Amino acid sequence: DLQMTQSPSSLSASVGDRVTITCQASLDIGNYLNWYQQKPGKAPKILIYDASNLETGVPSRFSGFGSGKNFTFTISSLQPEDIATYYCQQYDNFPRNTFGQGTKLEI
Amino acid sequence: QVHLVQSGAEVKKPGSSVKISCKASGGTFSNYALCWVRQAPGQGLEWMGGIIPIFATSKYAQKFQDRVTITADESTTTAYMELTSLTFDDTAVYYCARVGIFGVVTGYFQYWGQGTPVTVSS
Repeated sequence: DLQMTQSPSSLSASVGDRVTITCQASLDIGNYLNWYQQKPGKAPKILIYDASNLETGVPSRFSGFGSGKNFTFTISSLQPEDIATYYCQQYDNFPRNTFGQGTKLEI
Repeated sequence: QVHLVQSGAEVKKPGSSVKISCKASGGTFSNYALCWVRQAPGQGLEWMGGIIPIFATSKYAQKFQDRVTITADESTTTAYMELTSLTFDDTAVYYCARVGIFGVVTGYFQYWGQGTPVTVSS
């Protein structure tokens, strides 16, 4: 069964820091990996789709990289409004849409 | 711009059922899947299933296969999710979300509803 392992589960950083979150799949998923931001009490928001594509309107400080089993999500210079929980999500034709456990980002 | 508006909060007893609606406006309703994702208190996100309205066929996550029914009404551009045999573990916020890829129930969720809290309580 496909497993998504996201790390770390929580992260404390300062404004201006470079922040990286990783997501590892138990099987090769190609580039079928997306990243979301969720603020408390709000619906998730898509940031990166298909591993490295920036959704329209999302600031360029957000980026994604990877393929196969290993993926990274980076905020190049952390801003106060980036405080949120971030999720990776895999998809395939099984059909499955599987989310990682989430990374809570704090300042 | 696509806008998804969900029905209001629900309180249900164990063993009962809940049916939530998701009204879509803007964009093309029929060709893009509407899915349901839930989030238990303090927990992560869990995909339940989805439907492509023009095909009127639904796909479900294995975990919910026996208890969930997702439907769509093209005339009112509204999708529905019904979950039966509720237990306390079904207490969660339920989101509808539209897939950003044409004609499939999997992919990235580009648009989201505001969420519907469902509380299962005796």
